[in-house]
Amino acid sequence: SAVISQKPSRDICQRGTSLTIQCQVDSQVTMMFWYRQQPGQSLTLIATANQGSEATYESGFVIDKFPISRPNLTFSTLTVSNMSPEDSSIYLCSVSRATGNTIYFGEGSWLTVV
Amino acid sequence: DAKTTQPNSMESNEEEPVHLPCNHSTISGTDYIHWYRQLPSQGPEYVIHGLTSNVNNRMASLAIAEDRKSSTLILHRATLRDAAVYYCILHKGSSGTYKYIFGTGTRLKVLA
Repeated sequence: SAVISQKPSRDICQRGTSLTIQCQVDSQVTMMFWYRQQPGQSLTLIATANQGSEATYESGFVIDKFPISRPNLTFSTLTVSNMSPEDSSIYLCSVSRATGNTIYFGEGSWLTVV
Repeated sequence: DAKTTQPNSMESNEEEPVHLPCNHSTISGTDYIHWYRQLPSQGPEYVIHGLTSNVNNRMASLAIAEDRKSSTLILHRATLRDAAVYYCILHKGSSGTYKYIFGTGTRLKVLA
């Protein structure tokens, strides 16, 4: 298993501002992913965070809006830029120790934009 | 990516078995069948996975059809703590870049 810590766990943000969410894992992992879960909906994959290179974004998500960093094998950040109320969601970090293995999720960061 | 189809919701009585179905008619030979569940206010957690043979663990059993176009997650005795959204996901087990794509899932309600 993996212990994943996300910060902040919850925040209320003003429209037009940006917020950076941190994901810290207790040990090195191969894969790190960022998901969004809008109220009452399933999870949508935003991007795969690649260590030492640019993240791989899914259709509908762009780097300017959701810049991602992954400086090492245990840490990643997701920034939600120029927020609007439509960005109010839970943002979840997930990891896997090896390709093809089980993935583990953090508790999520609950973001409300007002 | 191959897709899965699950009922939106199901109900079960406490202490009774629950069979959660999943259709994946476009599954490929290298796709593993994974099940995750999401309890209220938590991130998803792993339940079970398999490739061709039926699988059992302490949480559940996974029954996979012979043609692999469908599978069923079996909770042998549902408890109130099993109330969650259950996701069936196809995932490639081969090396290289991969990802988990979540469908709509089945919301399980357990009645006391």
